Amino acid sequence: NAGVMQNPRHLVRRRGQEARLRCSPMKGHSHVYWYRQLPEEGLKFMVYLQKENIIDESGMPKERFSAEFPKEGPSILRIQQVVRGDSAAYFCASSRGLDSYEQYFGPGTRLTVT
Amino acid sequence: AQTVTQSQPEMSVQEAETVTLSCTYDTSESDYYLFWYKQPPSRQMILVIRQEAYKQQNATENRFSVNFQKAAKSFSLKISDSQLGDAAMYFCAYRSADFGNEKLTFGTGTRLTIIP
Repeated sequence: NAGVMQNPRHLVRRRGQEARLRCSPMKGHSHVYWYRQLPEEGLKFMVYLQKENIIDESGMPKERFSAEFPKEGPSILRIQQVVRGDSAAYFCASSRGLDSYEQYFGPGTRLTVT
Repeated sequence: AQTVTQSQPEMSVQEAETVTLSCTYDTSESDYYLFWYKQPPSRQMILVIRQEAYKQQNATENRFSVNFQKAAKSFSLKISDSQLGDAAMYFCAYRSADFGNEKLTFGTGTRLTIIP
């Protein structure tokens, strides 16, 4: 049973470019969560999605960031016009939802903005 | 809003000894879940143990156990018979039991070093 998959594992972008981070949840999981970890800090919630719906985006910056979880395919976290402050590790987690409250994390994508 | 506090940025323990990591949280909710996650140098977040707030019995997973004090809003992690592979950052996390409010709120972490 494959775990949560994230790609790419490492992504380098120049300032002003776009970054696309992908997350495939565990089999049978329909809830996806994105978190950001700045260097030497804990994880901060960004957004919670179910298929084709954003449930909670209270942690998402208002500009340049967007997320989707289409009916088919992985969840995508998109960062437009990246700045140096976007350099961080971005983690995706998934859960089965319903009566399951545990979130299982992917290996993360380390984004470096040069 | 809920907050999670880990007051020990770093801890160290001799191999085979026992260590306790502290975590306190602040919430006005009566039903919630608490977790400890481990983040080794690989940066993968690994779920170590979970506790439902409505359960009085402390959770145990092999060498890992918690001391959950609901009234004091305290949730410490005890690691017995520490092993070299336990060296990692440990994060305490809170999750509401409310439907739709599923985000995890993390503490700032405790870096655990195991001394051979």
